[in-house]
Amino acid sequence: AQSVAQPEDQVNVAEGNPLTVKCTYSVSGNPYLFWYVQYPNRGLQFLLKYITGDNLVKGSYGFEAEFNKSQTSFHLKKPSALVSDSALYFCAVRGVESGGFKTIFGAGTRLFVKA
Amino acid sequence: GAGVSQTPSNKVTEKGKYVELRCDPISGHTALYWYRQSLGQGPEFLIYFQGTGAADDSGLPNDRFFAVRPEGSVSTLKIQRTERGDSAVYLCASSLGVNTEAFFGQGTRLTVV
Repeated sequence: AQSVAQPEDQVNVAEGNPLTVKCTYSVSGNPYLFWYVQYPNRGLQFLLKYITGDNLVKGSYGFEAEFNKSQTSFHLKKPSALVSDSALYFCAVRGVESGGFKTIFGAGTRLFVKA
Repeated sequence: GAGVSQTPSNKVTEKGKYVELRCDPISGHTALYWYRQSLGQGPEFLIYFQGTGAADDSGLPNDRFFAVRPEGSVSTLKIQRTERGDSAVYLCASSLGVNTEAFFGQGTRLTVV
């Protein structure tokens, strides 16, 4: 069965410092991996995805993520955090089960960026 | 439409009543998903459709929950004999293909009193 783990409930970082939000996954076959962000009282917004190819993928708002097959991880990163990055971040995995569309989300990591 | 549309945005119902939540996906998207999200939690998978058929309904919590997508576009999530524990935000999403991201609607906040 597919699963996603986000081991940190919360990540605190100072503005201007690099940030990392961790994600590990379990899925049959090759994974499709996604990161979404949710601001208060807003819907889920897509940030980036890994389907195939280069292990480092770049997305919206300066975010990037690195796919590591051996560690089954897909950590979200940003070189320099902004206060406006403070939000709830979700990692998701889509596997080949059920025709390849079933997408499972992690529990989320709350990011606080201090000025 | 330009995005995924969900109606109503808010629904308050009494315990034991029947409710229907509607989702209008992005035009041309073949995959449609329903999730449930409680405050501060991740979206919990309920069901997804590929076209008109429910390809995977393993996330539906019990037989009070049912969803349809009769023409492969609009979907309705139906909850019978609602319970207070059903209170949550119900999210709908759609995607074009297996290697594309899902786009989410704003959700329907269901409150069972």
